[in-house]
Amino acid sequence: DAGVIQSPRHEVTEMGQEVTLRCKPISGHNSLFWYRQTMMRGLELLIYFNNNVPIDDSGMPEDRFSAKMPNASFSTLKIQPSEPRDSAVYFCASSFLRHSNQPQHFGDGTRLSIL
Amino acid sequence: KQEVTQIPAALSVPEGENLVLNCSFTDSAIYNLQWFRQDPGKGLTSLLLIQSSQREQTSGRLNASLDKSSGRSTLYIAASQPGDSATYLCAVSPRQEGGSEKLVFGKGTKLTVNP
Repeated sequence: DAGVIQSPRHEVTEMGQEVTLRCKPISGHNSLFWYRQTMMRGLELLIYFNNNVPIDDSGMPEDRFSAKMPNASFSTLKIQPSEPRDSAVYFCASSFLRHSNQPQHFGDGTRLSIL
Repeated sequence: KQEVTQIPAALSVPEGENLVLNCSFTDSAIYNLQWFRQDPGKGLTSLLLIQSSQREQTSGRLNASLDKSSGRSTLYIAASQPGDSATYLCAVSPRQEGGSEKLVFGKGTKLTVNP
């Protein structure tokens, strides 16, 4: 079975540019999560969707960040304009919400560097 | 606000040793607790999930325990092998209105098993 697929794996861009990260969840999963991982703050939840609807975006740092899930098999996380402090590894994860016994499955992440 | 702490931040042991990784959390109102493994440059792999009503879960050489009242969990690894070298993260799902999807992560324990 294909796991969660993220693209690109690495992104290096200059400050002020728009960055778009992409995620394809596991087929059949109905929840999708975007996380950010840094050395200082560890792994933080940015936003999560259930059945393509954003449920909790309280972790989104500011208005420069936005996320969409137009259908069950695709999601994007966009940063516009990007800043050096956005440099981190961004993970997407998916799960099948039924009861509180379903683990989340993670992609390999996108390593983002803003110069 | 739920906080998760993992001690130690790093651990180095010789091959064959039995070891324990610790995780503590500040709010006992949780749906579940999960242990993940993260290899360098990779995403997280779910190892064990303990429901709030359970005391422990086992998978192969891994055993995770949960003491919700004291806000503690341990991950026991028996007969450690060099292939167990990775960062191990603990995460709790806070009990909250709307469901059990959110995870709050500790910063992990980096384990090195020396041959």
